[in-house]
Amino acid sequence: EVQLLESGGGLVQPGGSLRLSCAASGFTFSSYSMSWVRQAPGKGLEWVSAISGSGTTTYYADSVKARFTISRDNPSNTLYLQMNSLRAEDTAVYYCANSRGTSSPKYNWFDPWGQGTLVTVSS
Amino acid sequence: DIQMTQSPSSLSASVGDRVTITCRASQSITKYLNWYQQKPGKAPKLLIYVASTLQSGVPSRFSAIGSGTDFTLTISSLQPEDLATYYCQQSYSFPQTFGQGTKLEIK
Repeated sequence: EVQLLESGGGLVQPGGSLRLSCAASGFTFSSYSMSWVRQAPGKGLEWVSAISGSGTTTYYADSVKARFTISRDNPSNTLYLQMNSLRAEDTAVYYCANSRGTSSPKYNWFDPWGQGTLVTVSS
Repeated sequence: DIQMTQSPSSLSASVGDRVTITCRASQSITKYLNWYQQKPGKAPKLLIYVASTLQSGVPSRFSAIGSGTDFTLTISSLQPEDLATYYCQQSYSFPQTFGQGTKLEIK
């Protein structure tokens, strides 16, 4: 069974940093692209970032570019999201999701999703 | 960026009703449109991918069609467990974008 388990969320002050992790199991992690998607309280879904299976290609939403870094460690089946210079508007539940369909993050779909981890940016 | 617009934003229907949700892209995304269901307090779940392919395990009352800029998700006979918010998502280009969601309530 494919499982994704996020961790690392919490309360952080504006301007602070946080690193999210997503532990994957039940599939050949290195063969699949992965993505982060967030959801602010009471709001819709927002795609944040994607990374290819090898980790060599990454994509970011404009809202997080130059502040967030996506990476992966294939031997340990773990996806990361390093978040710097955090702002109040980054407050959200962050989901990791397996990108299925092609080896590239493009032309794909998200399945499954993790349960999410809450990041709260507040003083 | 490609904008995804869903309609309606919310709707209320009765058990057994046929329900249709529309998603329109601001430019052609060919067939790269996916649909997700998010139940209250839960992570989203994939329903349909590449415009019309039903994900394994999803009830056959869910179906979808479309290409280019116009897409439709249909629930043929609404069930109580279909209470959820439904999102479309384009994977044609980055940044990948979601519709704003359609909140489905059961009368």
